[in-house]
This record gives sequence, C-alpha cells and structure tokens, in this order.
Amino acid sequence: QKEVEQDPGPLSVPEGAIVSLNCTYSNSAFQYFMWYRQYSRKGPELLMYTYSSGNKEDGRFTAQVDKSSKYISLFIRDSQPSDSATYLCAMSDGGYNKLIFGAGTRLAVHP
Amino acid sequence: EPEVTQTPSHQVTQMGQEVILRCVPISNHLYFYWYRQILGQKVEFLVSFYNNEISEKSEIFDDQFSVERPDGSNFTLKIRSTKLEDSAMYFCASIPVTTPPSEEQYFGPGTRLTVT
Repeated sequence: QKEVEQDPGPLSVPEGAIVSLNCTYSNSAFQYFMWYRQYSRKGPELLMYTYSSGNKEDGRFTAQVDKSSKYISLFIRDSQPSDSATYLCAMSDGGYNKLIFGAGTRLAVHP
Repeated sequence: EPEVTQTPSHQVTQMGQEVILRCVPISNHLYFYWYRQILGQKVEFLVSFYNNEISEKSEIFDDQFSVERPDGSNFTLKIRSTKLEDSAMYFCASIPVTTPPSEEQYFGPGTRLTVT
C-alpha cells in the first residue's frame, strides 16, 4: 500500500465550478498536511497548511483533514482558468521531517 | 516576499560528469531540503540538512550525492558522476525553525537536470 494515494486525474471542470481534490494516506503518524500547486516545470507553491484534523479556509480554498479516516481534501470554490495546474498533497510526521507527496492531480478549468 | 532561489534553471551534462546545483534558501530559514521529481512522477525526498549536518537521507541519496552549505547563504547539491537516471527536476526547500514548530516547506523553482 502506498503511503499517500492521490488520483492523478486529469480533472476538467467549467469556470465557476467547485473542485474537490483528495488524498488518502496509510501512516497514522502524519500530523501535518499541505497542499501545493505546481505549474508545468515549476516548483511546488504552498497553498494550504493544516495541523492535525479540522478545516482551514483561505479565500476560495478550504482544506479538510479527517485523521480518523486518513483522508484529506482541498476544495476550490468559484474555480478560475488560472487555477489550472497540478495539485499535490504532501504530509509529514513533524519534527522537520521529510514531506511525502501524492502523485498530484491535474486540474483544467475551462472558460 | 522572500523566495527560495535556485541556479541554474537548466543544466545539461554528459553521463559521468559532476554537477553542482545551487540554492539560496530564505534568509531566516535554518532547515534545508533537496527533493527531485522525475518527469511524470512524484516529488521524492533526497536529503535534509540542519546545523551543517545531514539530518535524514533517502535511499536515493547514495555516495554519488553530497550536500554542503559553503557559506551563510548557499546550499548546494553535488552529484559526482551523473547517470542517465539522474535526469529530473531538483527542488530545494527550506523551513524556518520556530516555536511552536512550523512544518511549512517553501520550494524553489527547481533546476532541470538533463544527463545525456
């Protein structure tokens, strides 16, 4: 079983749609959860950072963590064509340890 | 806003040659990382570095790899004798050491390494 699983997509939605991106994981030691956005051949850009379970909202983005189900989500409201990118989930067990990444989900938002 | 910078953006080298990839982390950050991403694959951890020592390294980070912080600003990854399979994007990341700890890793734009 992979440590972090993420559906690679691609996911294609119309502008204005609500997008839901998800990851599951197997390591119950993970406590820190991140979502990165990556444009083609660029570095990952940190979007959301969550510690332990719960929700966090930042503008059009909402991150949810359900540690009991080992499931994390990123919701994008009112999606825009500029949101078209690959979204990577990443997590760690803390202590400045390495991030374990999902495979990334390619999102295309069409006008 | 401060950023992690990396040079060069693209490096082409022949198999067996040595390459040095350079990173300038964010100035008040103290923990540093190298990751790589082979085209179409996951971002993979290589090594972490703190207080002038390797904190953790992955199985990928064998004797052909080394890291160094030669001065107060640069953080380098050296590959001694490159192989074709070293072709990838290499990302540097850094993180501040704060209380309580923040685990937010900030990534640079990457160096695309092509080994021919």
